Amino acid sequence: ETGVTQSPTHLIKTRGQQVTLRCSSQSGHNTVSWYQQALGQGPQFIFQYYREEENGRGNFPPRFSGLQFPNYSSELNVNALELDDSALYLCASSRPGLAPGEQYFGPGTRLTVT
Amino acid sequence: TQLLEQSPQFLSIQEGENLTVYCNSSSVFSSLQWYRQEPGEGPVLLVTVVTGGEVKKLKRLTFQFGDARKDSSLHITAAQPGDTGLYLCAGGRGAGNMLTFGGGTRLMVKP
Repeated sequence: ETGVTQSPTHLIKTRGQQVTLRCSSQSGHNTVSWYQQALGQGPQFIFQYYREEENGRGNFPPRFSGLQFPNYSSELNVNALELDDSALYLCASSRPGLAPGEQYFGPGTRLTVT
Repeated sequence: TQLLEQSPQFLSIQEGENLTVYCNSSSVFSSLQWYRQEPGEGPVLLVTVVTGGEVKKLKRLTFQFGDARKDSSLHITAAQPGDTGLYLCAGGRGAGNMLTFGGGTRLMVKP
């Protein structure tokens, strides 16, 4: 299964600014998760949305927020950007009927904060 | 804090060699996934295992889930340069799909 897209591909922001990253998943994929992957590390879970409601959250501050829309698209918003927010941001989607934990990732958005 | 420890972190081998990557935890997971990631791309799902002791094969790749569902291994037979990449294990707990990832094993297969 494929079909998860993310935009933009790359983004450069200045410390203190706000950013919105977008993800579009396949029809029927009603669960979307966002992950942050710092250089040289494994992805870290940020939060998950199911049917437009936040369904779980990792150890990230409130300035990381999200939205999920009825058309299977979603957004990750980060306020007051810090240098340590520089990372690859990944969204992953899943649908009923897949094996537990199974989800499909988009190509990611590379965010650089200067 | 990484709840999943992968070893080795880096592995450089010659084409044709065999290798095993390990993923260990003190926590029990309801499922475990292995992904492969190329530079600048998202992780690509290789396999999902859900039953303790389960073994799955994908061509030259063999995946095993530990009996206690706390650990897993990935064995590659006769590695090829196309196997080069970052291999990530990820564990799922509960009904949700919130995954905990290991730190990854970066594999380089030289021709």
